[in-house]
Amino acid sequence: AQRVTQPEKLLSVFKGAPVELKCNYSYSGSPELFWYVQYSRQRLQLLLRHISRESIKGFTADLNKGETSFHLKKPFAQEEDSAMYYCALSEGYGQNFVFGPGTRLSVLP
Amino acid sequence: GAVVSQHPSRVICKSGTSVKIECRSLDFQATTMFWYRQFPKQSLMLMATSNEGSKATYEQGVEKDKFLINHASLTLSTLTVTSAHPEDSSFYICSALRRWGDSKNYEQYFGPGTRLTVT
Repeated sequence: AQRVTQPEKLLSVFKGAPVELKCNYSYSGSPELFWYVQYSRQRLQLLLRHISRESIKGFTADLNKGETSFHLKKPFAQEEDSAMYYCALSEGYGQNFVFGPGTRLSVLP
Repeated sequence: GAVVSQHPSRVICKSGTSVKIECRSLDFQATTMFWYRQFPKQSLMLMATSNEGSKATYEQGVEKDKFLINHASLTLSTLTVTSAHPEDSSFYICSALRRWGDSKNYEQYFGPGTRLTVT
């Protein structure tokens, strides 16, 4: 069965510091990987997906099939980045989404 | 951007009664909607995939007779919690899949969630 792990429940960094939120997955096929973000008192929203290979709000994520990882990175964290981040996997074509446990990012002033 | 609404946002019901939660895609048609459950301080757990015009696909361990899903139109899916018990108290979140172009083009839009409390 497919599985998504995020080893850190909470990650605190200072403003301007680099940040990396880890995500590993297990799936025998060719998954599609996503990062979703939930800001305080807001609904969950898509941050980025590996197919797009784009940078959103300064965040990037590269799918590493060898390490089955999809870590989220940002070179200089901002206070407004503080939120809950979920890594998610789809079996493809928008089917069977599996979410990781989430990492709460706290960017300190 | 695409908007998904959920109604009600909060509901309290007595044990043994049934509760219906609506999920609507307001400005796009969605052949596929998802229902998730989120326990306090935990991640989202996919309960079922709702497909317009056909039966929902339930995840392992989710009772289909307890959580009735109906996706009668391209903009509306409903989740009915039947004979609710206190252990059904949770935060229920729906999402709708917007598709465009070929099969690889899609995005999942989430509703704001419904807090269900069963007393």
